[in-house]
Amino acid sequence: EVQLVEFGGGLVKPGGSLRLSCTGSGFTFSSYAINWVRQSPGKGLEWVSSISPSSSYIYYADSLVGRFTTSRDNSMNSVFLQMSSLRAEDTAVYYCAKRYCNSDRCYPYLDFWGQGTLVTVSS
Amino acid sequence: EIVLTQSPGTLSLSPGERATLSCKTSQSLDSSYLAWYQQKPGRAPRLLIHGASTRASGIPDRFSGSGSATDFTLTISRLEPEDFAVYFCQHYGGSPLFTFGPGTKVDIK
Repeated sequence: EVQLVEFGGGLVKPGGSLRLSCTGSGFTFSSYAINWVRQSPGKGLEWVSSISPSSSYIYYADSLVGRFTTSRDNSMNSVFLQMSSLRAEDTAVYYCAKRYCNSDRCYPYLDFWGQGTLVTVSS
Repeated sequence: EIVLTQSPGTLSLSPGERATLSCKTSQSLDSSYLAWYQQKPGRAPRLLIHGASTRASGIPDRFSGSGSATDFTLTISRLEPEDFAVYFCQHYGGSPLFTFGPGTKVDIK
């Protein structure tokens, strides 16, 4: 069974930092790009970051460059999102989602999502 | 940046009825880069359609996608009770890498 499980959410004060983890199982983790997508309470979906299977390519939403850092450890089937200088507007459920890549390309959709972890930024 | 606009915002229908959801884009797209997701309350999004018209694995055939250029449609031929949810369209490419529409909520009339 395919699973993606996010860890690390919680309550953090403005200006603080938090590290999220996403662990996958039931599929060949090293063949997938992993993306972070967030959803503010009652709102829509916002893409945050993407990391390629071998970490060669890492992309961020323009508004998050410099504050968020994505990394992965394929030996642990895990991807990490380090978030710093957090603001109230970063409050959201953070989902990780996978995207299949073969030798030619990565496919342009997210074929499975984790259940998400809630990050609340508040004093 | 491509902007996705979905309509209507809410669609109130009865089980068994047909649902037609629209996703319009601010620029003409390669349809292979358009996908649809379903999200139920408190749950993660689920991929329904990719490449504008290809059903994802395990998706019932009452779901179909169509469209090209700037106009895309998700159709649910006969609504089942489990289909009442929010539906998002998504475009891949450029910056940001993934862009989502604001969603259409399909609720029970």
